[in-house]
Amino acid sequence: NAGVMQNPRHLVRRRGQEARLRCSPMKGHSHVYWYRQLPEEGLKFMVYLQKENIIDESGMPKERFSAEFPKEGPSILRIQQVVRGDSAAYFCASLQGANTEAFFGQGTRLTVV
Amino acid sequence: AQTVTQSQPEMSVQEAETVTLSCTYDTSESDYYLFWYKQPPSRQMILVIRQEAYKQQNATENRFSVNFQKAAKSFSLKISDSQLGDAAMYFCASTRMGSARQLTFGSGTQLTVLP
Repeated sequence: NAGVMQNPRHLVRRRGQEARLRCSPMKGHSHVYWYRQLPEEGLKFMVYLQKENIIDESGMPKERFSAEFPKEGPSILRIQQVVRGDSAAYFCASLQGANTEAFFGQGTRLTVV
Repeated sequence: AQTVTQSQPEMSVQEAETVTLSCTYDTSESDYYLFWYKQPPSRQMILVIRQEAYKQQNATENRFSVNFQKAAKSFSLKISDSQLGDAAMYFCASTRMGSARQLTFGSGTQLTVLP
């Protein structure tokens, strides 16, 4: 049973480009969380999704950021028109159910140049 | 809302010795979980230990144990017989029970293990 898979591991984008980060949860997990880790800081919650539904996006910036978790395929975190301040490590975690352990992927390090 | 505070940005310990990492938290929830995660240079977030707030007994996992003081809202991690592989960033985190259980993380403590 493969763990949570995130790709790419490293992503470099120029200012103004779009970044797409992918997260494949563990098999059987229907809950996905996205977190952002700025340098020298802890992880900050961004969004919580279940299949085809956004449950809580209170941690997402209001503009340029969006997330989805379709019925088939990975969860996608999309950042449009990236700026230097978006440079961070983005982590995905999946859970089987509400009161179960969260398993984290290895993260995607986004660098905006 | 929940907040988690780690007041030690860096700690060091001699190999085979014991070290304690501090964490305090604040929450309005009556039922919640507390966690310690380890993040080595690979960046993988690894769950070290977890504690249910309703349990009075401190959680233990091999060389890792916690000192959970609910009234003081304190949740420290003790690492015994420290090993070189324990060197990592350690994050304390909390979440409420039930749905929408996003984790709230502290700012982390960088642990160095000296040979």
